[in-house]
Amino acid sequence: ETGVTQTPRHLVMGMTNKKSLKCEQHLGHNAMYWYKQSAKKPLELMFVYNFKEQTENNSVPSRFSPECPNSSHLFLHLHTLQPEDSALYLCASSQDLYGLRSPLHFGNGTRLTVT
Amino acid sequence: GQQVMQIPQYQHVQEGEDFTTYCNSSTTLSNIQWYKQRPGGHPVFLIQLVKSGEVKKQKRLTFQFGEAKKNSSLHITATQTTDVGTYFCALIQGAQKLVFGQGTRLTINP
Repeated sequence: ETGVTQTPRHLVMGMTNKKSLKCEQHLGHNAMYWYKQSAKKPLELMFVYNFKEQTENNSVPSRFSPECPNSSHLFLHLHTLQPEDSALYLCASSQDLYGLRSPLHFGNGTRLTVT
Repeated sequence: GQQVMQIPQYQHVQEGEDFTTYCNSSTTLSNIQWYKQRPGGHPVFLIQLVKSGEVKKQKRLTFQFGEAKKNSSLHITATQTTDVGTYFCALIQGAQKLVFGQGTRLTINP
């Protein structure tokens, strides 16, 4: 049990589909993150929210749309994705921004396959 | 931006052998974190180093922060099959953004 729950665990979608990834943290943290992990790339930071305000958009294509309704929930809305977007999408949270004084806690991730 | 180099990218050892992964930065760091990701799992925080020359131990794992705070290492003594996974360093870049290294994937022959 990580304290950070992601759903679904696996997702297969076509390029014309619209889907959403969900993340919920039960740790009382203030910052939440979306990371992308591909087979041959390090963890790529996508979006950062601090106190539900977006503080970072790391040049992510507009086909990825984040939403943070409150400090405990984070969504990633997906539409018209490309096959190269297939990856493990990890949600994380931390008490303070970027885990400077406290570490990041990751969820189990959503394994996304775009066909 | 700040460059993070983690080496080696892969390491295969016999069970019982030692293992070391290195993380190098082009600039002086305020702190560095280490994470472990088991196969099929998610990254899990191991430790944070803050002070120059700091050495911390967790059972068979030894973490070291360089005197110049530009590099760090993780050393595992007498590896066990439970040590299998990818080890990532993470450091603060520029405007305090946490950047992960490429990771070192450790596999072990029992």
